[in-house]
Amino acid sequence: QKEVEQNSGPLSVPEGAIASLNCTYSDRGSQSFFWYRQYSGKSPELIMFIYSNGDKEDGRFTAQLNKASQYVSLLIRDSQPSDSATYLCAVTDPNTGNQFYFGTGTSLTVIP
Amino acid sequence: EPEVTQTPSHQVTQMGQEVILRCVPISNHLYFYWYRQILGQKVEFLVSFYNNEISEKSEIFDDQFSVERPDGSNFTLKIRSTKLEDSAMYFCASSQEGGWSNQPQHFGDGTRLSIL
Repeated sequence: QKEVEQNSGPLSVPEGAIASLNCTYSDRGSQSFFWYRQYSGKSPELIMFIYSNGDKEDGRFTAQLNKASQYVSLLIRDSQPSDSATYLCAVTDPNTGNQFYFGTGTSLTVIP
Repeated sequence: EPEVTQTPSHQVTQMGQEVILRCVPISNHLYFYWYRQILGQKVEFLVSFYNNEISEKSEIFDDQFSVERPDGSNFTLKIRSTKLEDSAMYFCASSQEGGWSNQPQHFGDGTRLSIL
C-alpha cells in the first residue's frame, strides 16, 4: 500500500508569514511530486511540481524534495488570505508513473 | 488558459440507476484520468486512459465502471447499477504525456454525484 502522509491541520498563519506544509511518502520508487491547492467544493488546482532533490521556486512558492528522507514540502512566503485552502500532496505511482496517490491534505488558514 | 470541462456539475440519481459523467480534456492532451473524492476523504485514482484503451485501473474500478472516448473530444465515465457508496465528487483530469514524463495532471471542476 502506497501511503502519502500529510498533517491534516488546521494550520493557521498570520498574513505575511511563511506557511510550511509537509508531506512524506512511503515508496522510494516514486519520482514526481505535485502540490495542488483545493478550495472547499472545488477541484485540485496545480501549484507546482518537483522531481529533483533540492528546492524549486515559483513566485511565492518553494517546493523542497528530499528523496533520501522521502519528504517533500511546500513553503508559501508572504501568505495571503486568498491562500487559505487545503493543500494536497500528490506522488506518482513508482511502477507506471500514471496514477497519482494523494495525501488527505493540509488545511491552511491565513489570518488577516 | 485551456481547461478540463466536466458535465454535469451535479447529478442526482436513484440507487440502481446508471449514470454517465462527461469530460472534455484539454485538446492537446493524450492521457486522461478519472478520480473520485468521497466527502472529507482523499482524492482516489480510478482509471487512466491512453490511445483509446485503459492503461491502468485501481481496485475501485470494478465491473460496475467503464470509460469511453466516444469521439475526438469527450471522455466519459459510466457507472452501472449505482450504490449509495458511489456518492462522491468525480474528477476528470488530463495530461499532455503520461508515465515517466513528469507531466502534471490538470483537473476539471468535478461532478458531484449524489445517489439516493
